[in-house]
Amino acid sequence: DVKVTQSSRYLVKRTGEKVFLECVQDMDHENMFWYRQDPGLGLRLIYFSYDVKMKEKGDIPEGYSVSREKKERFSLILESASTNQTSMYLCASTLYSGNTIYFGEGSWLTVV
Amino acid sequence: GQQLNQSPQSMFIQEGEDVSMNCTSSSIFNTWLWYKQDPGEGPVLLIALYKAGELTSNGRLTAQFGITRKDSFLNISASIPSDVGIYFCAGTTSGTYKYIFGTGTRLKVLA
Repeated sequence: DVKVTQSSRYLVKRTGEKVFLECVQDMDHENMFWYRQDPGLGLRLIYFSYDVKMKEKGDIPEGYSVSREKKERFSLILESASTNQTSMYLCASTLYSGNTIYFGEGSWLTVV
Repeated sequence: GQQLNQSPQSMFIQEGEDVSMNCTSSSIFNTWLWYKQDPGEGPVLLIALYKAGELTSNGRLTAQFGITRKDSFLNISASIPSDVGIYFCAGTTSGTYKYIFGTGTRLKVLA
């Protein structure tokens, strides 16, 4: 079974703090994604990566950056957290484009 | 962002009843996916469909890839209380990194 693991399930951070969300997949997938999920807005793509050190902006990249130094690991960085970034963040991975996408357990971030 | 039309939005059913939901798109997809999401958890893959007309089962769940490639259906037979949750579909096309997700169907099962 594919396993996508998000290291932090629940975080509370202060406005202006730098936040790191880590994600690891164990199936040698090429592509990894970060989404945020908000009520009524569904899943929105923040960034994705199709190879080590490669990244592409998604639909809502503002206020976020990402890092993929190793194939299995994809990190989401909030340089200066703001209250409107309070959300559920979901990491996902796929073997190749157009293939089944697998999600992690989610990280609930509250910015106060 | 773009979302797929999914219906019904929510439904209450009695334990033991069968459930049907569907997803429609204005675009053609090569892959249809169905997920279940429990409160506070990430989506869990239920069924993946890769070919138009394909019918695939996973226990009490059956999903179909519509022949027009613009829709998909999920059926749950003999529902049980643990079927409660949000079910949503997703569609994508080969060669793209873009996945479009459904608006979700909230299922509540009355024991």
